[in-house]
Amino acid sequence: AQSVTQLDSHVSVSEGTPVLLRCNYSSSYSPSLFWYVQHPNKGLQLLLKYTSAATLVKGINGFEAEFKKSETSFHLTKPSAHMSDAAEYFCVVSDRRSGGSNYKLTFGKGTLLTVNP
Amino acid sequence: NAGVMQNPRHLVRRRGQEARLRCSPVKGHSHVYWYRQLPEEGLKFMVYLQKENIIDESGMPKERFSAEFPKEGPSILRIQQVVRGDSAAYFCASSPPEQGVVKNIQYFGAGTRLSVL
Repeated sequence: AQSVTQLDSHVSVSEGTPVLLRCNYSSSYSPSLFWYVQHPNKGLQLLLKYTSAATLVKGINGFEAEFKKSETSFHLTKPSAHMSDAAEYFCVVSDRRSGGSNYKLTFGKGTLLTVNP
Repeated sequence: NAGVMQNPRHLVRRRGQEARLRCSPVKGHSHVYWYRQLPEEGLKFMVYLQKENIIDESGMPKERFSAEFPKEGPSILRIQQVVRGDSAAYFCASSPPEQGVVKNIQYFGAGTRLSVL
């Protein structure tokens, strides 16, 4: 079984300061991991994905995440927050079961990021 | 290229009525997924369809819910005899035919927010 825990339901930062959104996962198989962002009244947009290549993954808009197997973590970071980053962020895992499909995404409960001027 | 299109964006129904939610996938995508997001929860997988076939409906409630993806036209998620507990945001996602490592990237629509009075 797979699961995701987003450790903070709400993170507030000042514009220009670093962002850290924390995510821990549980997976019985080799996981694929994703971060999605949801702006108000918009669809979910893929920020980045990890699929067993490089452990440090770079995404869009200056975000990156590091896969740490020993810590079962996939935290999302950005060096300098921008006002437009204010949104809800979801950490997502899917199992890559041997010989099977991996379409079933499991979402965390989300972290609401607020950026203060 | 248009992304995943869902309509209506907002749907209000009284208890006992039927709700029909529509999803047009990205052009060329043959796989459709439906997810439900209850208040303050992450998205939960409901069903996975390919053209004219239900591949996995393990996340669908056993009664009142059904989904289809006909050869022509959008995918439909149908909820009969709605109850207040069905109030949620319903998201549709699509993906292209499996192409190696990218096969589990899903592209999401903006969702349909169902309110049951």
